[in-house]
Amino acid sequence: DPKIIQKPKYLVAVTGSEKILICEQYLGHNAMYWYRQSAKKPLEFMFSYSYQKLMDNQTASSRFQPQSSKKNHLDLQITALKPDDSATYFCASSPGTGGSDTQYFGPGTRLLVL
Amino acid sequence: QQQVRQSSQSLTVWEGETAILNCSYENSAFDYFPWYQQFPGEGPALLIAIRSVSDKKEDGRFTIFFNKREKNLSLHIKDSQPGDSATYFCAASWGNYQLIWGSGTKLIIKP
Repeated sequence: DPKIIQKPKYLVAVTGSEKILICEQYLGHNAMYWYRQSAKKPLEFMFSYSYQKLMDNQTASSRFQPQSSKKNHLDLQITALKPDDSATYFCASSPGTGGSDTQYFGPGTRLLVL
Repeated sequence: QQQVRQSSQSLTVWEGETAILNCSYENSAFDYFPWYQQFPGEGPALLIAIRSVSDKKEDGRFTIFFNKREKNLSLHIKDSQPGDSATYFCAASWGNYQLIWGSGTKLIIKP
C-alpha cells in the first residue's frame, strides 16, 4: 500500500484558475513538506510543517497556501495559476523536522497550466 | 548563492565502470550529508548518507567519500548498472535545520 498518497496524479488547469493538490501520509510522521520540480529548478523546497504548524516557508508568492486539516494531511492550494507554475509538485514527510530525519517522498502531482 | 553545489548536471558512464558524482558545500557547520536517488516519474528516495565525523560510508556498491577540510564529498557507484540510471541529489544539513539540496546530477549508464 502506498504510504504517501498524492492526488491527482495529473492536473491540467487554465491560467488564472485555482487548484488544490492533496497529500496524505500513512507513515505516522510528524513533519510534512512540499517541493516543486521543473526543468528550471531541479528540486525546490517550498514549505515544511511540523505537528500541523508552519515551520519554514521558502515560497515568495502568497498564491501558494498549504492547508493542514489533519496531522497526516498537507494540501497545497494554488491560486491565480500561471503557466510558470507548471511543474511536478512533491509532498514528503519525515519523523521530525531535524535535518537528519529521512524524508519520504510521494509520487508527485504533475501540473500543467495552459 | 548555492550552499550545496553539484558541478555536473549530467554524467554518462559505461556499464561496469565506476560512476563518480561530486558535491561541494559552503557552510562548514553542515554535519549530515544524504544522497537521494530519483528515477523518472518518481519522487526522490534516500540512497545513502554520511555524517561529518566519518570520511567514508559504504553500502553495497555505493560509497560516499567525504573531505571535511576541502568541503566536498563524492558518491561512487561501483560496477554501475543500467538500473542505476537516475538523478542523484546531494543534500546537507546541520542541527535541526532543514536539508539544503543540490541541483542534482543526471546519471546515464550505457550498456
